[in-house]
Amino acid sequence: IAGITQAPTSQILAAGRRMTLRCTQDMRHNAMYWYRQDLGLGLRLIHYSNTAGTTGKGEVPDGYSVSRANTDDFPLTLASAVPSQTSVYFCASSATNRAFLAGDHNEQFFGPGTRLTVL
Amino acid sequence: KNQVEQSPQSLIILEGKNCTLQCNYTVSPFSNLRWYKQDTGRGPVSLTIMTFSENTKSNGRYTATLDADTKQSSLHITASQLSDSASYICVVSAAETGANNLFFGTGTRLTVIP
Repeated sequence: IAGITQAPTSQILAAGRRMTLRCTQDMRHNAMYWYRQDLGLGLRLIHYSNTAGTTGKGEVPDGYSVSRANTDDFPLTLASAVPSQTSVYFCASSATNRAFLAGDHNEQFFGPGTRLTVL
Repeated sequence: KNQVEQSPQSLIILEGKNCTLQCNYTVSPFSNLRWYKQDTGRGPVSLTIMTFSENTKSNGRYTATLDADTKQSSLHITASQLSDSASYICVVSAAETGANNLFFGTGTRLTVIP
């Protein structure tokens, strides 16, 4: 593995079903994020984790849950999918989440995305 | 309200031509501004980053400028190539902790035609 990977690449899901999107990074980054990208809206933060064992809510967390049992993995779960969750989901990671520190530009590295369709 | 606005929404240019993409923001307090390139079906990849004291940064044929007084940035692409076809996203970071310190523009979709 080099960088950050996501699985599956795409998925079609019936409404009401449970789905877990997987994300793994091998850069030993402390912070990880989940975004959704919808046409005309740009990237919106769903959940984040500043370090293993901690998680937080982003801009659009409803209907989603995350866990961070270790540094490398950050799965996103849809407990009961709805059509409005049709989107492209991106996982990202960064060394830290302290953007304002001099020399720490907090670059986020993004995975290739998961295209999810909920019918 | 912290916002990032990009223009134009989309742009079509001929191969070999130059173009300039715009980003205006109201994010405060400001930490840094980053331009990302997102190829179709891929995740965004960072092109440049600028902090408050920097007003220009180049990466090959990409040159970003920043005017922190007017809160404007531009991304200039020189001698465009077909591979430049992508969405370009402006991301502004606020100088505070927490994951919600990043503000994303909706992107400019650039198409370079032969």
